[in-house]
Amino acid sequence: EDQVTQSPEALRLQEGESSSLNCSYTVSGLRGLFWYRQDPGKGPEFLFTLYSAGEEKEKERLKATLTKKESFLHITAPKPEDSATYLCAVQEAPGRRALTFGSGTRLQVQP
Amino acid sequence: EAGVAQSPRYKIIEKRQSVAFWCNPISGHATLYWYQQILGQGPKLLIQFQNNGVVDDSQLPKDRFSAERLKGVDSTLKIQPAKLEDSAVYLCASSLEGAAQYFGPGTRLLVL
Repeated sequence: EDQVTQSPEALRLQEGESSSLNCSYTVSGLRGLFWYRQDPGKGPEFLFTLYSAGEEKEKERLKATLTKKESFLHITAPKPEDSATYLCAVQEAPGRRALTFGSGTRLQVQP
Repeated sequence: EAGVAQSPRYKIIEKRQSVAFWCNPISGHATLYWYQQILGQGPKLLIQFQNNGVVDDSQLPKDRFSAERLKGVDSTLKIQPAKLEDSAVYLCASSLEGAAQYFGPGTRLLVL
């Protein structure tokens, strides 16, 4: 059975204090690893898809990386508006299956 | 481009009552998903449609939950009868085949 574990569960940063969120996964065959951002009372918002080990994607202050067993979401010089829950999900190969999500990391960035 | 639409946004019912949720996916997206998200957890798949056919409903509690996607566009998810543990956010998502899933705002259900 697929497993996705995110750490830490919660993280509090000062504005400008860079850090990384971790997503470790066990899946027999990885088709893709997805990162989403979820604000309170809203649905998850798509950020990145990573397909193979060594791949990196960037968007503003966020950079996602992928290895064979885990993914990191690096947040550089965060701002208060980056406060949200960040969800990691895996899609198993073969086929076009639904996503298996982790429980998320709740990030709070204080001014 | 319009996103995934869901209604209602909030619903409060008594246990043993029935409830239905509606979803309109992004235009052209053939794949539609219903997820259940319990507070503090990630979304969990209930059912996946490809056009109007079911791809995966292995985690759908079929004794009380049902879903349909007529004409391959809109979908409804029904719970009958509801239990206290069904209190959650019900998220609808859609995607082009094999691509990233885009989520609606969700319906927040409270069962009393």
